Amino acid sequence: QSVLTQPPSVSAAPGQKVTISCSGSSSNIGDNYVSWYQQLPGTAPKLLIYENNERPSGIPDRFSGSKSGTSATLGITGLQTGDEADYYCGTWDSSLSAGVFGGGTKLTVL
Amino acid sequence: QLQLRESGPGLVKPSETLSLTCTVSGGSISSSSYYWGWIRQPPGKGLEWIGSIYYSGSTYYNPSLKSRVTISVDSSKNQFSLKLSSVTAADTAVYFCARHALGFSSGWYPHWFDPWGQGTLVTVSS
Repeated sequence: QSVLTQPPSVSAAPGQKVTISCSGSSSNIGDNYVSWYQQLPGTAPKLLIYENNERPSGIPDRFSGSKSGTSATLGITGLQTGDEADYYCGTWDSSLSAGVFGGGTKLTVL
Repeated sequence: QLQLRESGPGLVKPSETLSLTCTVSGGSISSSSYYWGWIRQPPGKGLEWIGSIYYSGSTYYNPSLKSRVTISVDSSKNQFSLKLSSVTAADTAVYFCARHALGFSSGWYPHWFDPWGQGTLVTVSS
């Protein structure tokens, strides 16, 4: 059971927009920065979003992040077949003094 | 460009100790802005944070693994290492190392991982 809760799967058509939610508590998302990772099949995770809504250089602006209270959301617009991957949210938990991840969401681009 | 690479045995016997090393290149492990972390992923499952270490040796560990985990750092070699004792089949996973960046929220804590190593599969089996 993951500390952060994500939907197991989401799907949308090419060109459309999708959002992935990440729910936590006051000691993790509520108190700390959220990051998002993309894991393509057979590869290591890659940072997409840090500090709730910041994109590292090289990450297209089709990817966006937001946070409100104890929840966070990853948005992807202009979906491409190459976006099919597993997406994970992560943060720090101040009560546990530990890094925590969501269980991951599999994105299917139909 | 900073790169991380995991190394160590791909097969460990039950009850023995898993040992992995992460070698950092293209940057210094002694940077004040980062911790250095270990994350694992069992086959077909999600990510699990194992622990992180600062260049000074300060550590944070996953509470569920804390009794079995030791993470150490060797700044002279630009490496940090993971030891996980008394392993079972449940410890079979791909093990990743990653830089764990500090951010200020309610205090200075490590928040996001970037970049990641390619990962190494460790199988626990007799």
